[in-house]
Amino acid sequence: AQTVTQSQPEMSVQEAETVTLSCTYDTSESDYYLFWYKQPPSRQMILVIRQEAYKQQNATENRFSVNFQKAAKSFSLKISDSQLGDAAMYFCAYRSVTGNQFYFGTGTSLTVIP
Amino acid sequence: ETGVTQTPRHLVMGMTNKKSLKCEQHLGHNAMYWYKQSAKKPLELMFVYNFKEQTENNSVPSRFSPECPNSSHLFLHLHTLQPEDSALYLCASSQNRVMSNEQFFGPGTRLTVL
Repeated sequence: AQTVTQSQPEMSVQEAETVTLSCTYDTSESDYYLFWYKQPPSRQMILVIRQEAYKQQNATENRFSVNFQKAAKSFSLKISDSQLGDAAMYFCAYRSVTGNQFYFGTGTSLTVIP
Repeated sequence: ETGVTQTPRHLVMGMTNKKSLKCEQHLGHNAMYWYKQSAKKPLELMFVYNFKEQTENNSVPSRFSPECPNSSHLFLHLHTLQPEDSALYLCASSQNRVMSNEQFFGPGTRLTVL
């Protein structure tokens, strides 16, 4: 089974600054999908951004962007101009092109300091 | 909101009780999932249903019994649970005809087993 590793259990960032959350994964597949999810305290988990492995261009969604390094099996999330509402648990996830399973990391708890 | 609802939001039960968790999705998805979320652990996939058929059962103890009467509803029946089963139980759905599609999560049921 694929494994997803988030090596930073906790991170903090000053409001308006930039922070990068790390994610690495292990797979033998050449095609797959990667996701970053956000889970605010006591609220539902929602998708932040997704990346298709066959696309070389890094995905961007407003203040959120990824650095996808396929050879290194790395998929980091960069949050620019951090806002108080960005405080949450962030989960990295992997999905194979076959099967229905998603594989999640252990999460990174992000604190935004006013 | 994500279009996935779960009830109850909180549940406290004794080890001899029988209870059920309910999940409903209003998104027209064809796959539904149960996850267990414990602190400092990756999300643990428990069950996957695709078009009402169970396609994954990740060695879950028989004290957890899923039921999927149709593509919009998913239940998790609980009986004779153990205190270590206390966790947040998340339901999710996805449209598996398009593999790049993410999962949509419900708010979860916070389960405490006494």
